[in-house]
Formats: sequence, structure tokens, C-alpha cells
Amino acid sequence: IAGITQAPTSQILAAGRRMTLRCTQDMRHNAMYWYRQDLGLGLRLIHYSNTAGTTGKGEVPDGYSVSRANTDDFPLTLASAVPSQTSVYFCASSEGGSGANVLTFGAGSRLTVL
Amino acid sequence: GQNIDQPTEMTATEGAIVQINCTYQTSGFNGLFWYQQHAGEAPTFLSYNVLDGLEEKGRFSSFLSRSKGYSYLLLKELQMKDSASYLCAVREGDYKLSFGAGTTVTVRA
Repeated sequence: IAGITQAPTSQILAAGRRMTLRCTQDMRHNAMYWYRQDLGLGLRLIHYSNTAGTTGKGEVPDGYSVSRANTDDFPLTLASAVPSQTSVYFCASSEGGSGANVLTFGAGSRLTVL
Repeated sequence: GQNIDQPTEMTATEGAIVQINCTYQTSGFNGLFWYQQHAGEAPTFLSYNVLDGLEEKGRFSSFLSRSKGYSYLLLKELQMKDSASYLCAVREGDYKLSFGAGTTVTVRA
């Protein structure tokens, strides 16, 4: 089934540890995104990538890094996790370019930092 | 940056109509989207407006006024399965999509 796969589904992490959230899409979409969703704040863009090999900062990039080595994969890394990074993380992709450019979301990764 | 406002919660009766308003301020408008998100699930696309006017899609309609920075999502013939959060999102440029905090709609029998 075509779509976006995120892993892990859920993770509890000690503060200070490094963590990588994985995201893979099989729709050959050019653009990919990472959002975090917190109660009362909605979805906030962390980083995005217009195409393989390029990345850009979103609204809340501090403490996070991304890479886009190929079209399908867009991992998000927390170099040293802090409790404020406890959230639900959604990866998304879109065809990119002009037009509707509708985002398709993965199922999310729930991260708890203690 | 963008400022997107929508009500936090709305309650309606099965079979009724509900209108969710969204106001926004942006420097480079390039489309307004509505997404539906059931509890514990990913957001799914509902509608897209880039020109002024009404877009109708079955029981759901979305309206846009660019000059007023205003949109609404109209849900008709409400069903229990429509209980969800509805997210208003505004795009600047080709890629940056910013979301409002969402409106939780509860449908009562």
C-alpha cells in the first residue's frame, strides 16, 4: 500500500540521549516535511526538504536535524533530547512545485523524553 | 510568519450543519487547506482553496475570501463519524504550510 511509514510508533527516551525518527515514502514525492503536534499548539513545521539533497528550516528547528540523501527517506534526529521535545511527530510528503501540493501524513511517532 | 485563528471547540447534533471559521494573516498567501484529524490518527486532506469562492465536495464545503483573510469549512448532514479535529492551514510559497491549532467538533446523537 503506497504511503508513508514512520518508525518507531512510540518511544520513551532519557534526556540527553540521541534519537532518530525514521520516515520513508514510496510515492516518489519530491517534498518531505517533519511536524510536531502539541496540545493547544497544533502542528508546527520543524524542517522540510523540497527535493533530494536539499533541506530547509521550519518554524521550530532548534534541537533537530534532518538529511535527505535520496527521494524516499527523510530521517529526523534529536542530537541530545530534552523533555520539551516530548511530542507527537508527523512526517509528511507532497509532490512539490506549484498547484495544490497536498500533504500526505504518516501515522506519527509518539516520543516521550524523561 | 503567519497567524491562524480558529475556534477551539464546537458541538452539534447529528444531522445538523456546523460552520468552522478560520482567519489568517500572511505575507505570501498561496492556498488554504482544511484537514480532518481523528483522535490518535494522522491528518487527512479535506479541501483546498486558492481563489475566492466556495468549493463543494459532497457534505463538506470550503469558502475563501483572500481580501478578508477568512475561510470557513461547512459540514452538512453531520454524522457521528465527523467527530474529529478540523485543521485550517495556510501556505506561503510552494512548500511552507502552517497550521492553526485546530477545532474539535463533537457530534451528539
